[in-house]
Amino acid sequence: NAGVTQTPKFQVLKTGQSMTLQCAQDMNHEYMSWYRQDPGMGLRLIHYSVGAGITDQGEVPNGYNVSRSTTEDFPLRLLSAAPSQTSVYFCASSPLSSGAPQETQYFGPGTRLLVL
Amino acid sequence: AQKITQTQPGMFVQEKEAVTLDCTYDTSDPSYGLFWYKQPSSGEMIFLIYQGSYDQQNATEGRYSLNFQKARKSANLVISASQLGDSAMYFCAMREPDNYGQNFVFGPGTRLSVLP
Repeated sequence: NAGVTQTPKFQVLKTGQSMTLQCAQDMNHEYMSWYRQDPGMGLRLIHYSVGAGITDQGEVPNGYNVSRSTTEDFPLRLLSAAPSQTSVYFCASSPLSSGAPQETQYFGPGTRLLVL
Repeated sequence: AQKITQTQPGMFVQEKEAVTLDCTYDTSDPSYGLFWYKQPSSGEMIFLIYQGSYDQQNATEGRYSLNFQKARKSANLVISASQLGDSAMYFCAMREPDNYGQNFVFGPGTRLSVLP
């Protein structure tokens, strides 16, 4: 049971390049989400999904796309990277909370992205 | 509007002493959940403790306890008998009662330094 995995761990991009941050979980969780963490701002929700084929925007969705074709995978796409997207990105998953509101989200180890 | 406020960007505590990390939140919904996470320098997010809005008693988990004052909308984390390994960033988060009851909102965090 690997939990939530993210690749790559670290990436350097040039402005305008595109890339996909990978996230996978093996806990059969319906809910998955992407956050970005910036100094002094905590974690901010980018996009989330409550199941395969269902995604929605969070607080800071601009410049990012997501899709959810399987329960396990939730990739985050940067279409045209900008220096403002330099951040640490966390993927998280959890079962839907209706039956267990105390259930935490389970976080991946993070991806550190630098856009030059 | 910021929904989670952590007014202490940084805190120092002497080893073996207790420390309180402040968290205030803003919601008009009667049903919500409050979480605390620890992020050591290695970067992973570690779940510490949960408090539900309807819980009658303050949550406790080992050396961690939550001082929940519902009328004041505060959920302060108390760490007793601080250890050097407690040095980390600490985030307060609230699970919002949105469409799916899933999304988390995080505060900006407090950096705790434990002094020997």
